[in-house]
Amino acid sequence: QQQVKQSPQSLIVQKGGISIINCAYENTAFDYFPWYQQFPGKGPALLIAIRPDVSEKKEGRFTISFNKSAKQFSLHIMDSQPGDSATYFCAASITGAQKLVFGQGTRLTINP
Amino acid sequence: DAGVIQSPRHEVTEMGQEVTLRCKPISGHNSLFWYRQTMMRGLELLIYFNNNVPIDDSGMPEDRFSAKMPNASFSTLKIQPSEPRDSAVYFCASLQGGSYNEQFFGPGTRLTVL
Repeated sequence: QQQVKQSPQSLIVQKGGISIINCAYENTAFDYFPWYQQFPGKGPALLIAIRPDVSEKKEGRFTISFNKSAKQFSLHIMDSQPGDSATYFCAASITGAQKLVFGQGTRLTINP
Repeated sequence: DAGVIQSPRHEVTEMGQEVTLRCKPISGHNSLFWYRQTMMRGLELLIYFNNNVPIDDSGMPEDRFSAKMPNASFSTLKIQPSEPRDSAVYFCASLQGGSYNEQFFGPGTRLTVL
């Protein structure tokens, strides 16, 4: 019940296309859903996060869509660029619990 | 702020040797996390501390692993004796606490056990 399942494991998108990564969770107590971005040789860094009181959050080309009833959330990258090539992790936590449960990660490659 | 600092950045050792990884969290952050990343298992939480006290060590693989946080600005993760299957990238992260949920990760230590 503590797991967060992420798909796909890897994704190749053409420059200018839309990249979509999906995550699903079981624990209905989760109330904080961040996405982390990791470049090779670096640690993960927070990209964007959402709480379940909204169904969508947008920051520039990055959007999180959240479906509370389905217990799913997804990251959409519009107008994908080669510089977006990285590994993306979804995660979930309970406010106050501090501990993040991470998905398995998606390796995104944007072809020029 | 310099961010989370980890040392060494790379460590190559032989099976059976003791390995100590070090972490300096961001000043003012009151929670610290140790993660291990491998291709097979992804990003795994090993242990985390809140106000220097270990809160959850359920991810520590076995007794060969130990972690300490003697003060708010320093933590160590020790593996004794090390084994080839411990080869991975180990990350330290810190979190401010309160209403702030963002974990800030260090650059990681790439450990290779021969």
